[in-house]
Amino acid sequence: EVQLLESGGGLVQPGGSLRLSCAVSQFTFRSYAMSWVRQAPGRGLEWVSGISGSGDNTYYADSVKGRFTISRDNSKNTLYVQMNSLRVEDTAIYYCTKNGPSLQVLNSFDYWGQGVLVTVSS
Amino acid sequence: AIRMTQSPSSLSASTGDRVTITCRASQDISTYLAWYQQKPGKAPKLLIYAASTLQSGVPSRFSGSGSGTDFTLTISCLQSEDFATYYCQQYNTYPPLTFGGGTKVEIK
Repeated sequence: EVQLLESGGGLVQPGGSLRLSCAVSQFTFRSYAMSWVRQAPGRGLEWVSGISGSGDNTYYADSVKGRFTISRDNSKNTLYVQMNSLRVEDTAIYYCTKNGPSLQVLNSFDYWGQGVLVTVSS
Repeated sequence: AIRMTQSPSSLSASTGDRVTITCRASQDISTYLAWYQQKPGKAPKLLIYAASTLQSGVPSRFSGSGSGTDFTLTISCLQSEDFATYYCQQYNTYPPLTFGGGTKVEIK
């Protein structure tokens, strides 16, 4: 069974930094693009960032461009997002997602982690 | 960015009802559309991709249709476990990938 397990969330002050990790198993990680999707409390879904299977290509929402950096370690089957200069409006549950079911980067999200809460507050 | 507009934003229905949710894209996205179901406190679950292809394991009472700018998710016979919020998502253009605002299906 495909599994995605996020970690690294927590409370951080505005302007601070946090790194989220997502450990995956039961699929060929290096073959698939991956993404981060977030959901602010009581709100809808917002795509944040994506990365190709090789890691050569990265994509960002305008709301996080220049502040967030997505990366992956295919030897460790792990996806990351480094979040700097955090703002109150970045408060959300962050989901790690697998782009699928095909191998295309442009894709739906066929598997989701359970989510990790990031709270930005003073 | 492509804007996705869902309607209605919420609806009340009874078990056994046929339910239809609409999603409209601000520009042509061919059939690059997915539908998700989200229950409170849980991650979203992929129901349909490529506008009409049922994801493995999803009950056949769910169906999707449409192309271009107008899409529909239909639940043919609503079950108790179907009360949830539903989102559409386009993947024709990247970045950004965009979601609709959601449709909450509640018990009448």
